[in-house]
Amino acid sequence: EAGVAQSPRYKIIEKRQSVAFWCNPISGHATLYWYQQILGQGPKLLIQFQNNGVVDDSQLPKDRFSAERLKGVDSTLKIQPAKLEDSAVYLCASSLVGQRTDTQYFGPGTRLTVL
Amino acid sequence: AQRVTQPEKLLSVFKGAPVELKCNYSYSGSPELFWYVQYSRQRLQLLLRHISRESIKGFTADLNKGETSFHLKKPFAQEEDSAMYYCALSRTGRRALTFGSGTRLQVQP
Repeated sequence: EAGVAQSPRYKIIEKRQSVAFWCNPISGHATLYWYQQILGQGPKLLIQFQNNGVVDDSQLPKDRFSAERLKGVDSTLKIQPAKLEDSAVYLCASSLVGQRTDTQYFGPGTRLTVL
Repeated sequence: AQRVTQPEKLLSVFKGAPVELKCNYSYSGSPELFWYVQYSRQRLQLLLRHISRESIKGFTADLNKGETSFHLKKPFAQEEDSAMYYCALSRTGRRALTFGSGTRLQVQP
């Protein structure tokens, strides 16, 4: 079974530029999560989708971050414009139905550096 | 708001020594607790969850609601246990995880 795929793996941009990340979850997984992991910290939830609807985006900085999950499969996360403090690893995860005890499967992450 | 605290950034032990990775949480409801692990150059993956009461790779963790702790233990550490370990919590009615800041376990030969 293929795991969660993410691209690109690395991205370097200058502040005020825009950037987009892509995630393809495990086939059949209804729930998709985007986490931000700043160096030295644990992952922090940015947004959670159930199929193509948003379940939780309370910690998403909506003035600069946006995300979508068209057709309930792939998802993109965008930052526009980027700030220095956005430098982090962006992790995508998926789970089967989104029950509290579900296993979340993580992708390899995209490491973003903002100069 | 919920919070997960892992007080140790680094834990270094010798092979064969017992290991205890500490995790404390604050949450007023009934939490689900997990341990996730990230080996070098690998993805973050589930190690174990409290509801399963399982032992994975010799690791166990008991939820102590009185002390609000979920410490991860292994009686005899192996070199292949060297990794980053994250304690995580999910809230009642929620599926997303709140992670601690992680503890790096180094098992020396």
